Amino acid sequence: DIVMTQSPDSLAVSLGERATINCRSSQTILYSSNNKNYLAWYQQKPGQPPKVLISWASTRESGVPDRFSGSGSGTDFTLTISSLQAEDVAVYYCQQYYSIPRTFGQGTKLEIK
Amino acid sequence: EVHLVESGGGLVKPGESLRVSCAVSGFTFKDAWMNWVRQAPGKGLEWVGRIRSKSGGGTTDYAAPVKGRFTISRDDSKDTLYLQMISLKTEDTAVYYCTTDSDFLFQHWGPGTLVTVSS
Repeated sequence: DIVMTQSPDSLAVSLGERATINCRSSQTILYSSNNKNYLAWYQQKPGQPPKVLISWASTRESGVPDRFSGSGSGTDFTLTISSLQAEDVAVYYCQQYYSIPRTFGQGTKLEIK
Repeated sequence: EVHLVESGGGLVKPGESLRVSCAVSGFTFKDAWMNWVRQAPGKGLEWVGRIRSKSGGGTTDYAAPVKGRFTISRDDSKDTLYLQMISLKTEDTAVYYCTTDSDFLFQHWGPGTLVTVSS
């Protein structure tokens, strides 16, 4: 199974500042035949199901604000929120869809400082 | 608009069985691959398993902790997904979400149904 490890476990950032969450996979999730990274980022607010923000490591889903961006390749990935807004308080998960079983990182709790 | 609603959760004792359902609307269910994902109280997300569409073979895959105890099925005539759980353990306590599987992504989610396994 591919193990996904996020850092940090929690993060407090001031409004308007940058937030950065890291995700590492235990093996590459870059599929060489199409040069795509099989990684998604999800946002989960309290009492709600998760919502997909980013697919293919760096493609923002429709309707997701452009302050959210994803980067990385192979085994190391980053989710960046360029200017934190109050509504971004949530837990963020990375997830690989390179292989079965699908696996998630343990989550990063993002709060306002 | 895509809509998924889980039902059937509740309190059961260890060793008992339970079936939860997921009714969907707003998309062509028979063509959809579907997943179950669970979340223990205060914990992270855990993939449970998936079922392919009938045209995709209709086969299933499961996470190791539930393989042999959980069965995912579908009734395309009712636009409904099922998760049959037997020999439940306390560690199966979680909110169970059904999700669509669109281009590998868990695109749409239901609000979840809570299954509590406790004596």
